[in-house]
Amino acid sequence: EAGVTQSPTHLIKTRGQQATLRCSPISGHTSVYWYQQALGLGLQFLLWYDEGEERNRGNFPPRFSGRQFPNYSSELNVNALELEDSALYLCASSLAGRYGYTFGSGTRLTVV
Amino acid sequence: GNSVTQMEGPVTLSEEAFLTINCTYTATGYPSLFWYVQYPGEGLQLLLKATKADDKGSNKGFEATYRKETTSFHLEKGSVQVSDSAVYFCALGGSRKNTNAGKSTFGDGTTLTVKP
Repeated sequence: EAGVTQSPTHLIKTRGQQATLRCSPISGHTSVYWYQQALGLGLQFLLWYDEGEERNRGNFPPRFSGRQFPNYSSELNVNALELEDSALYLCASSLAGRYGYTFGSGTRLTVV
Repeated sequence: GNSVTQMEGPVTLSEEAFLTINCTYTATGYPSLFWYVQYPGEGLQLLLKATKADDKGSNKGFEATYRKETTSFHLEKGSVQVSDSAVYFCALGGSRKNTNAGKSTFGDGTTLTVKP
């Protein structure tokens, strides 16, 4: 069974540009979660999508947004990139969050 | 709100030593508790979980018991190996409703290095 896949693996963008990160959950998982793992800041919750709807978002500005498609894959968009957006962005999926997440390997976003 | 406090690292042990990584939490309700492990250059992997008080999660020789009275979920392993070197994260599961809906809360991570 394929795990959670994220693309691209690495992404280098210039300040002010937009970044798009993609995630495909485990087959059958309807929930997708996005986390930011910045150096020294641990894992910060970004977004939760379930059944195509945004269910909750963390304490991030509106330039962080995303969506979930009918096949449950998801996209995270970061507009007007800032240097401090440089981080590892992790996507996870679950059938029911109570039983834990399955994480992808992440997208390393570098803003220069 | 929910929070997780993990033992600060880094932790360096010799092979076959006993490991304890402390984790305490503050939460409303009765969340599930998790330990995740992150190897260099990879995402997090679920190591073990416990969904209710007094549950013991175990996997690959690691164990942790959900202690409601002490709000703790300490990770233990009797004999560590070099291959256990990684970053370990304690986490609280999110709820289905309110501001914690879908949001797991993670500790800051503890880096473990095991030397041969």
